[in-house]
Amino acid sequence: DIQMTQSPSSLSASVGDRVTITCRASQSISSYLNWYQQKPGKAPKLLIYAASSLQSGVPSRFSGSGSGTDFTLTISSLQPEDFATYYCQQSYSTPPLFTFGPGTKVDIK
Amino acid sequence: EVQLVESGGGLVQPGGSLRLSCAASGFTVSSNYMSWVRQAPGKGLEWVSVIYSGGSTYYADSVKGRFTISRDNSKNTLYLQMNSLRAEDTAVYYCARMTLVVVTAILSPDAFDIWGQGTMVTVSS
Repeated sequence: DIQMTQSPSSLSASVGDRVTITCRASQSISSYLNWYQQKPGKAPKLLIYAASSLQSGVPSRFSGSGSGTDFTLTISSLQPEDFATYYCQQSYSTPPLFTFGPGTKVDIK
Repeated sequence: EVQLVESGGGLVQPGGSLRLSCAASGFTVSSNYMSWVRQAPGKGLEWVSVIYSGGSTYYADSVKGRFTISRDNSKNTLYLQMNSLRAEDTAVYYCARMTLVVVTAILSPDAFDIWGQGTMVTVSS
């Protein structure tokens, strides 16, 4: 099974900061990597698919990059509404066995 | 409006059963790949099961043989039948629509683009 890790597990940042979250797969997953944002008590929201494609309606301050085993999610200028937990998810496995990373919590410094 | 609304959660004893429902609006369940994803209290996300538009189904090892995903095309509704429930099944259960991508020349489910609000399942005596 493909395992996903994320770093850091949590971070504190200020409004306006540039934030980078890393996701690593236990084997190559090409670009089959998606990112989600989840706020407390709410369902996750798709931000980035195919490692670097911005989901419709998502602000352009969010970007994704990477391929193979190493991926990053970057928020170019953190906004108050961006404080949340972020998860990566791989979709490479066949038969399907979708796995999520453990999450990165972004809170206010 | 594209929307998913789950129902059916609640408190159940270990070994018991529960059926979750997920009513869709704004799109057709049977034409899409649909999944259940769960989240234990204070924990991360765990994929549970997927049903393809063609009817194929797949499960996480943790629920295989105990849970069954299905759909009712006339009601445009997705279901998750959960049997032999354990304490570790306690979680918020989300239904989600999936996008598609080509993986090694095969059309495959990819990202979870539409989510319901979730329904809480508590397994406890």
